[in-house]
Amino acid sequence: SAVISQKPSRDICQRGTSLTIQCQVDSQVTMMFWYRQQPGQSLTLIATANQGSEATYESGFVIDKFPISRPNLTFSTLTVSNMSPEDSSIYLCSVEESKLAGANVLTFGAGSRLTVL
Amino acid sequence: GQQVMQIPQYQHVQEGEDFTTYCNSSTTLSNIQWYKQRPGGHPVFLIQLVKSGEVKKQKRLTFQFGEAKKNSSLHITATQTTDVGTYFCAGGTSYGKLTFGQGTILTVHP
Repeated sequence: SAVISQKPSRDICQRGTSLTIQCQVDSQVTMMFWYRQQPGQSLTLIATANQGSEATYESGFVIDKFPISRPNLTFSTLTVSNMSPEDSSIYLCSVEESKLAGANVLTFGAGSRLTVL
Repeated sequence: GQQVMQIPQYQHVQEGEDFTTYCNSSTTLSNIQWYKQRPGGHPVFLIQLVKSGEVKKQKRLTFQFGEAKKNSSLHITATQTTDVGTYFCAGGTSYGKLTFGQGTILTVHP
């Protein structure tokens, strides 16, 4: 399985600031995904990070709030901009480990737990 | 849009008891995946089911995909304390999109 390093693992941020989360994979991958997991909740896909093109955002998520970079096939960043307490969440990077029957089988990073005061 | 509902939200069992979580999709799925997230950890892929009526086993875990490919279940026989965590189902569509259920939080009392 791919090994994903994500940092920071946790941070406490002030309202109105921005934080960039980094995701490094030990192998080249085509698709990287950013998920949000609010406390006690499920995983919600924020966007798909594509190398060489703009990220594809899911409904309810916009580039101005969650800008994403994907400079190469092993690295991506997610920025949470102008944070509010509602952004307190775990942010997870994931990669497509294999493709079975047309679906992505995902490997997740350890996550970045953000608390916004 | 596609919705995946998972019940129960919480389940508390005594060690040795069985456990089942159920997953229902609003639309027919191409496949269903199951993930386990240990407390403080990240989701880890367990298994994928593709065929209508498919049943797969991993030691004490039995996974089932419904005939209509709209529901699934995960059954754990004789739970152990190492089984604690949140179990997520994720419904997959033919174009690769995954939608996660809300998860079932399992606690096992020794």
